[in-house]
Formats: sequence, structure tokens, C-alpha cells
Amino acid sequence: KAGVTQTPRYLIKTRGQQVTLSCSPISGHRSVSWYQQTPGQGLQFLFEYFSETQRNKGNFPGRFSGRQFSNSRSEMNVSTLELGDSALYLCASSLINLSGANVLTFGAGSRLTVL
Amino acid sequence: GQQLNQSPQSMFIQEGEDVSMNCTSSSIFNTWLWYKQDPGEGPVLLIALYKAGELTSNGRLTAQFGITRKDSFLNISASIPSDVGIYFCAGQRGYAGNNRKLIWGLGTSLAVNP
Repeated sequence: KAGVTQTPRYLIKTRGQQVTLSCSPISGHRSVSWYQQTPGQGLQFLFEYFSETQRNKGNFPGRFSGRQFSNSRSEMNVSTLELGDSALYLCASSLINLSGANVLTFGAGSRLTVL
Repeated sequence: GQQLNQSPQSMFIQEGEDVSMNCTSSSIFNTWLWYKQDPGEGPVLLIALYKAGELTSNGRLTAQFGITRKDSFLNISASIPSDVGIYFCAGQRGYAGNNRKLIWGLGTSLAVNP
């Protein structure tokens, strides 16, 4: 069973550019969450999508956006990049189990460097 | 955003030693999760806990869901070099709406001296 696939794994952008990251969840998982990870800040929640609808949102500016397609694949976009956006962006999918727990399976991440 | 209090922040131990780390919160949680992250990879689930007082093992790892539902503990016995990494706790307060969001600790960085 294939895991969560994120592309690209690494990318370098310059300030002011925009970037789109892609995530393919585990087959059958309909919930996709995105996190930003930076040293010292841990995992910061960006948003969660379920059945093409944003279900939860973190405290990030409007430059950060996402969407989910009918096949559950998801993309996130960051516009007008800033140096502080350099981070590992993690996607995770989940299959809500009978207890209702939100157990996430993560991808390997997309490492974004903004110069 | 809200974060769990995870301690210690880092540990440097000798191979063969036991390790203990914990997470605490002022809020009550319905689910506690423990993840491990290797360099350059995403976090991988180690143990999931669903009930107060629950004690669950996964090989040399044992985790407990605190009775108060406000804390959780992870123990690693007889550490080996491949235990090196960052360990994260995460808690879930409820099953609907905003309570579905996982709340995360900042991680415990573990180094093992062979």
C-alpha cells in the first residue's frame, strides 16, 4: 500500500515568487492535513481538507492557501514568498477510525528554501 | 497556536539506557499520539492511546495515557543507536470541528552514544 507522496521533495525560490506543493494521500484516505515545520517551532497546523472542503484552518496569513480534488489529492500554495516561509512542509492523510481519532500518516515533506 | 508542554527538550544517553519523556497540558484530551521523526523524513506513528489509564507497548516502547487525561508518557527501554531522532507527542481534544485538530509538543531530540 503506497504511503503519502509529496512533490517536489526540495525546491528553492526567491522572495516574491509563489510555490505550489502537491500531496497524494494513502488510497482510501479522504482527509488531508498540511503542516509547516521549522526548527524550534515544531509542527504548525496550516489546514485540513475533507471531501474537497476545508474543515479546519490554522493561524497563517492568506498567502497560504490549499485545495483538495475529487480524488483526495491536495495542493497547497504560498504566494509572495518571504524568507520566513523557508520550512519543511508536511502533508498527512488520515482515515478516521471507529474511535474518531485523527491518526495521521505523514509524507516525507517538501523542503522549501526562500532566498 | 496552542502547544503541549513536552519534556525534556533533548537527551543524550548511552546505548542500553532507558529513556523517559512526557507531555502535559492544561486541557483534557481524548487521544494521545506519539510520533518519531528521522532527519529528512516525516513523522512516523509509534503508539496511539485512546483511553485514560491505557498502557500500550510497541516493542521496546511503552506509552501511557494519563489518568487525568491531561498528560502522557513515553518510555524507551534498552536504547539502541537507531532510536536517534525527534519524538513528538500530539493530543486530540475531541472528534468534531476545531477539536479534531491535533495539538503538538515541540519534540524531544534523542541522541544515543554507542
